[in-house]
Amino acid sequence: KNEVEQSPQNLTAQEGEFITINCSYSVGISALHWLQQHPGGGIVSLFMLSSGKKKHGRLIATINIQEKHSSLHITASHPRDSAVYICAVRYISSGSARQLTFGSGTQLTVLP
Amino acid sequence: GAGVSQSPRYKVAKRGQDVALRCDPISGHVSLFWYQQALGQGPEFLTYFQNEAQLDKSGLPSDRFFAERPEGSVSTLKIQRTQQEDSAVYLCASSSDRGRRNEQFFGPGTRLTVL
Repeated sequence: KNEVEQSPQNLTAQEGEFITINCSYSVGISALHWLQQHPGGGIVSLFMLSSGKKKHGRLIATINIQEKHSSLHITASHPRDSAVYICAVRYISSGSARQLTFGSGTQLTVLP
Repeated sequence: GAGVSQSPRYKVAKRGQDVALRCDPISGHVSLFWYQQALGQGPEFLTYFQNEAQLDKSGLPSDRFFAERPEGSVSTLKIQRTQQEDSAVYLCASSSDRGRRNEQFFGPGTRLTVL
């Protein structure tokens, strides 16, 4: 049923490692979001992309529209980066509705 | 306020009870969304408002779920006769719909546990 696929589902890394989380989707989109969710539920928007690449601090997000694929990279990872990272898309076919369709998330644990 | 707020943050209900979850969007935001997030899953769309109009309720899982936004600001999600499968985090998001950004801002969620 879920049209947004993320990988890996779980990822454990050592502090300092370079991390990549992948997201693929099925049809045309108007925007793709990368979100961060900490224990307790609150969701923070990291990036909203429709093309190319964005960078914010140690976080980099890229999107390839032709391949329907996006990646989230974390450089020099730190234990405080431990969270669930969620990819979400707004499909063009959504029409007047603007809801997001979410992946199931990647649980990232960064060990000191 | 500075962001989207939701109340209560946690709710425990006995099976069969009615519950009401509140969302205060960012002031001036036109669009408001409710999502349901089961444990270990990504959020799933429930319903969408543009001002006071409920434009899409296709994600509501049953007629026990009802949402309203009577004055186009605060919204309430009501669940009648709660069941154990209703246990989830209920997330609210709002967006301004200005220009092309349409970025959604999320509240902290209400964690509902039905015993």
